[in-house]
Amino acid sequence: EVQLVESGGGLVQPGGSLRLSCAASGFTFSSYAMSWVRQAPGKGLEWVSGISYSGTSTYFADSVKGRCTISRDNSKNTLYLQMNSLRAEDTAVYYCAKDVSAARGLDHWGQGTLVTVSS
Amino acid sequence: QSALTQPASVSGSPGQSITISCTGTSSDVGGYNFVSWYQQHPGKAPKLMIYDVSNRPSGVSNRFSGSKSGNSASLTISGLQAEDEADYYCSSYTSSSTLGPYVFGTGTKVTVL
Repeated sequence: EVQLVESGGGLVQPGGSLRLSCAASGFTFSSYAMSWVRQAPGKGLEWVSGISYSGTSTYFADSVKGRCTISRDNSKNTLYLQMNSLRAEDTAVYYCAKDVSAARGLDHWGQGTLVTVSS
Repeated sequence: QSALTQPASVSGSPGQSITISCTGTSSDVGGYNFVSWYQQHPGKAPKLMIYDVSNRPSGVSNRFSGSKSGNSASLTISGLQAEDEADYYCSSYTSSSTLGPYVFGTGTKVTVL
């Protein structure tokens, strides 16, 4: 059974940093691209960042470009999202999700971790 | 990149069929057969219902079907059931910038009357 478990969310002050983690199991993690998708309270889904299966290619939404870094450790089956210079508008539930393949869809999602940016 | 456009809400009675539209551009929906649809119940993670425009993952009811024409895609739910009441989001691969690859729709709330 595929499982994705996010952690690392919490309350952070504007301008602060957080690192989110996503522990994967139940599939060959190193064979699939992964994404982070967020959802602000009461709002829709927003794709944030993606990374190729090997980690050599990374992608970011304009809203986080320059403030976020995505990485993966295939030896630990773990995906990361480092977020810096956080703003109030970054407040959201952050989901990690597994790619079907080649950006065809996201077939498994974690339960999400809440990031709240507030003073 | 702009979100794909969906109606804010769609409703139907049990047993009826409803269709949710998803409108994009030639840089996303119209240019690629990589449209996917997600169902999200309150407080839950999204669930993939359709990928590659019309393919259903294993375990998804055949009451859900997808199609595409030009720059618009559609999700049809036939034989509407109470459990189908949820938010639905479309998504597509996009080439509109180098920062891709996914763009989501604005979301549609489905109400079962």
